[in-house]
Amino acid sequence: GESVGLHLPTLSVQEGDNSIINCAYSNSASDYFIWYKQESGKGPQFIIDIRSNMDKRQGQRVTVLLNKTVKHLSLQIAATQPGDSAVYFCAVLSGSARQLTFGSGTQLTVLP
Amino acid sequence: DGGITQSPKYLFRKEGQNVTLSCEQNLNHDAMYWYRQDPGQGLRLIYYSQIVNDFQKGDIAEGYSVSREKKESFPLTVTSAQKNPTAFYLCASSIRDRGDYGYTFGSGTRLTVV
Repeated sequence: GESVGLHLPTLSVQEGDNSIINCAYSNSASDYFIWYKQESGKGPQFIIDIRSNMDKRQGQRVTVLLNKTVKHLSLQIAATQPGDSAVYFCAVLSGSARQLTFGSGTQLTVLP
Repeated sequence: DGGITQSPKYLFRKEGQNVTLSCEQNLNHDAMYWYRQDPGQGLRLIYYSQIVNDFQKGDIAEGYSVSREKKESFPLTVTSAQKNPTAFYLCASSIRDRGDYGYTFGSGTRLTVV
C-alpha cells in the first residue's frame, strides 16, 4: 500500500516570504500527485498537480517539485499572503485501485 | 455552476440515533467518496462507490452505511454503532472510476454528538 507523510505539522512564515511544504511518499510506482488547500471549516480545494513524467510544474505563485529518486514532493508558495493561511495536503495516486492517499496536512500560518 | 453539495453544514446527533448526511454532485462524475477528518489528522476513507448500485468499504467503515441509487447522490448514514461520530465529514467525487484526474470535494458536514 501507500503511505504519505508530511515533514512538519505546522509552519509559520512572515508575510511576503516564500513557503515550502514537504511531503514524502512510500510507493515508487506512484504516478500522480496533487496538492490541496483546506481553509478552516471548508473542503479541500485543488491547488496544483504533477505527473511522474515531470519533476517541476508551476502555477500562479505556486510550484510543485517532484523528486522520484527520494520519493519526495514539495509545494512552494511565493510571496506568501495572509489568504494563504490554511492546511495543505499532498495526495498521491498509485496502485491498481487508482485511489488517492492523503497526507496528514501542514497548517500554514502567515504572520503579519 | 457544477459542484458537490453537502448538507447540512452542521448536524447534531443524540446518543443512539442514526443520522444521514447528504452528498449530491452535478459534475457527471462516476466515482464518489466519503472521508472522515478529525482535528489535526488527515482524511480517512469511509466508503467509496465507483458506479451506481455498487460501493466498497474504506479503511474505517464500521458504524457507517451508504447507498448509491443514483449517479448524482451518495448519502452517508452514521449509525448508533459508531461510538465516536463527532468529526468533520467530507464527500468527494472523481471524473472516472479512479483518481487520475483528482477529486473534487464538497464543503463538509460537521457532526457533533450531544
